[in-house]
Amino acid sequence: SAVISQKPSRDICQRGTSLTIQCQVDSQVTMMFWYRQQPGQSLTLIATANQGSEATYESGFVIDKFPISRPNLTFSTLTVSNMSPEDSSIYLCSVERGAQETQYFGPGTRLLVL
Amino acid sequence: DQQVKQNSPSLSVQEGRISILNCDYTNSMFDYFLWYKKYPAEGPTFLISISSIKDKNEDGRFTVFLNKSAKHLSLHIVPSQPGDSAVYFCAASVWKTSYDKVIFGPGTSLSVIP
Repeated sequence: SAVISQKPSRDICQRGTSLTIQCQVDSQVTMMFWYRQQPGQSLTLIATANQGSEATYESGFVIDKFPISRPNLTFSTLTVSNMSPEDSSIYLCSVERGAQETQYFGPGTRLLVL
Repeated sequence: DQQVKQNSPSLSVQEGRISILNCDYTNSMFDYFLWYKKYPAEGPTFLISISSIKDKNEDGRFTVFLNKSAKHLSLHIVPSQPGDSAVYFCAASVWKTSYDKVIFGPGTSLSVIP
């Protein structure tokens, strides 16, 4: 498995502001993934982040709204920009580990936008 | 279009009995299937997986069965314990050029009654 930490664990933000979520992994990984879990729903992949290149976004997600940084092989950030109440979700990062490249998740960041 | 379905949003089982969680998928390109367990305020925890070339994988109290022709998999927990009470996500992955894209089902909330 992997040891993954996220900061902040939770936050309450005002509409129109931005929040940057940090994800730290205990060892180097090639790919990092960012997911969103909206209230009562399942996990949805936002984007994949490969160190040294631009993140790849899934349909429905754009870089202007969710800019991602991947400065090294153990760290990534996701910014939720110009927030609205619809952005209230749990945001999770994950990494692949093992022969089967199973994804392991961080504890998540609970975001509430007022 | 929901590619991974868990038609039971909740399930209650008596302690010591078997819990059976079901999952159906639509995409025949999925080659790897996973189950995750999620407690409130925590990230999903990897539980067990199965490759598409197998029909059964067992790990302690947890067994996953795959029926490719029916595009169906199930997770058996026996005997069920109160600590198993959590939301269980079925997930399926498909290779996307440079990474495994994992698609999650909506989850089944399991309650194990002492």
